[in-house]
Amino acid sequence: KQEVTQIPAALSVPEGENLVLNCSFTDSAIYNLQWFRQDPGKGLTSLLLIQSSQREQTSGRLNASLDKSSGRSTLYIAASQPGDSATYLCAVLLYGQNFVFGPGTRLSVLP
Amino acid sequence: KAGVTQTPRYLIKTRGQQVTLSCSPISGHRSVSWYQQTPGQGLQFLFEYFSETQRNKGNFPGRFSGRQFSNSRSEMNVSTLELGDSALYLCASSLPGQYNEQFFGPGTRLTVL
Repeated sequence: KQEVTQIPAALSVPEGENLVLNCSFTDSAIYNLQWFRQDPGKGLTSLLLIQSSQREQTSGRLNASLDKSSGRSTLYIAASQPGDSATYLCAVLLYGQNFVFGPGTRLSVLP
Repeated sequence: KAGVTQTPRYLIKTRGQQVTLSCSPISGHRSVSWYQQTPGQGLQFLFEYFSETQRNKGNFPGRFSGRQFSNSRSEMNVSTLELGDSALYLCASSLPGQYNEQFFGPGTRLTVL
């Protein structure tokens, strides 16, 4: 059974800092991995999707990497802004199965 | 292009009642998945529908059911509501051949009293 964990559970940083969020999964035979952000009480917004054959994806200030052999993905946020404050979730998809989500990292960026 | 829409956005029910939630996927998306999100359990998969057929099912009791129509719109139904069913219910749609990238709706907040 695929299990997904995220470290840290919560993070508070001053504006402008670069930061790294971590996601670990137990079954490395994944189809893809997707990172989302969720604002309080809202739905999820897709940030990046990494296919199993890829090592990383970039979008603006966001960069996500994938290391299937070690069962890890990291989301790098450059030059953080208060508007980045949200909960960040990673989700892993195995072939022929459903997405399994991690518990999320709650990020606060202080002005 | 319109995003995933869910109705209603908020719902208050009492124990024992039943409820139906609706999800309209992004145009062209044929897969719809449903999730339950609670503070204690996080996001848990309920079921996935593709072309009107249930393709995957999570570990939820039979009180939770769903269906998908020919226009890809989906509904989920919860019968005999319990207090523990209070949650944010999210649906997501995806386009076949796009590595199953999921796009989520705003959710329906269900409160069971």
